[in-house]
Amino acid sequence: SQTIHQWPATLVQPVGSPLSLECTVEGTSNPNLYWYRQAAGRGLQLLFYSVGIGQISSEVPQNLSASRPQDRQFILSSKKLLLSDSGFYLCAWSTGGSYNEQFFGPGTRLTVL
Amino acid sequence: QKEVEQNSGPLSVPEGAIASLNCTYSDRGSQSFFWYRQYSGKSPELIMFIYSNGDKEDGRFTAQLNKASQYVSLLIRDSQPSDSATYLCAPRRFRGGADGLTFGKGTHLIIQP
Repeated sequence: SQTIHQWPATLVQPVGSPLSLECTVEGTSNPNLYWYRQAAGRGLQLLFYSVGIGQISSEVPQNLSASRPQDRQFILSSKKLLLSDSGFYLCAWSTGGSYNEQFFGPGTRLTVL
Repeated sequence: QKEVEQNSGPLSVPEGAIASLNCTYSDRGSQSFFWYRQYSGKSPELIMFIYSNGDKEDGRFTAQLNKASQYVSLLIRDSQPSDSATYLCAPRRFRGGADGLTFGKGTHLIIQP
């Protein structure tokens, strides 16, 4: 069966510091991978989408970036965090099939102070 | 007009009754629709999806879709206290090469024992 991991689970960072969040998927090959953010009082927002190694699509302009160095690894980064980057960051995977059901990891709760 | 609209609630339903959750969407190109359940502080988990007009049943859950009215609903029969959560509606859409989901803010459901 497929499993998706995210770490760290929680993170408190000062404004202006760098960020690196990691997501890995087990039990499947060549998954589509996604980064979403859920800010307080707002819905889930798609940040990045990847169909393969090195292939990243960005949904919204921001100071975040994503990379996919391996087939089942997806990384979210920032060089300098803003207060507005606080939120619940969720990685998801899908098979990309006809219905493309997406399954979420446990998430990382980021607080920028 | 928001892309996905859901009544934020809280929607309070007595235990054993039917809970009805509604969602409207603006993108007529949306082909499939997903319902997720999210417990407080946790990541969303997929309940079911629907892609054809009409009803689709899975256990105590029934999804209903009316593409002409751009309306999706989720019925929960024999509601249990464990059903208390936020329910997210998510149409699948293609935009700029990305195949992702657009989430509503969710309906907070409370099942009263």
